[in-house]
Amino acid sequence: QKEVEQNSGPLSVPEGAIASLNCTYSDRGSQSFFWYRQYSGKSPELIMFIYSNGDKEDGRFTAQLNKASQYVSLLIRDSQPSDSATYLCAVNRGYNTDKLIFGTGTRLQVFP
Amino acid sequence: ETGVTQTPRHLVMGMTNKKSLKCEQHLGHNAMYWYKQSAKKPLELMFVYNFKEQTENNSVPSRFSPECPNSSHLFLHLHTLQPEDSALYLCASSQDTKRAGYTGELFFGEGSRLTVL
Repeated sequence: QKEVEQNSGPLSVPEGAIASLNCTYSDRGSQSFFWYRQYSGKSPELIMFIYSNGDKEDGRFTAQLNKASQYVSLLIRDSQPSDSATYLCAVNRGYNTDKLIFGTGTRLQVFP
Repeated sequence: ETGVTQTPRHLVMGMTNKKSLKCEQHLGHNAMYWYKQSAKKPLELMFVYNFKEQTENNSVPSRFSPECPNSSHLFLHLHTLQPEDSALYLCASSQDTKRAGYTGELFFGEGSRLTVL
């Protein structure tokens, strides 16, 4: 079993729709969770992090965490073509550790 | 200067060559990382340095040799590589992981695209 699993996609959504990106992880001891966005040919950049169960909102982005189900998701409201990228889920086993484990990423395509 | 700078951006080398990748960060961070990114695979952590001390070696073959002379510079020395080592090598930096308020955010460089012939 992979430590961090994501559907590789592509996930295609029309402009203005909600894009839902999902991620599961295997280590129950994981404490912090991250979503990075990577445009083609570019390096990853952090969008959001979440530590506690529930939702965390930042603009058009909402991260959702369910530790019991070992599941973390990212919702993008009012999707724009500029959101088209690969979204990487990453998991850290502790609050102050430096070993971030990444998933393979989900490619999102937002079409006009 | 942008936050994390990597050179060279592209490198082609033969299996018997010795080359080095360089990373420099201008963010005042104390932790630096090497990640490997291959097609269809997750970002793979290779090495972590915190305050110049290596804190993680993720079972990386000895043909990859890291060097961290100070908190702002990180090198990856390459020797006798294999074609399967061809990948994008990403350097990243972060705050000290033991510091209060650490968010786990990594700041990545643009990467060095390595091709081993």
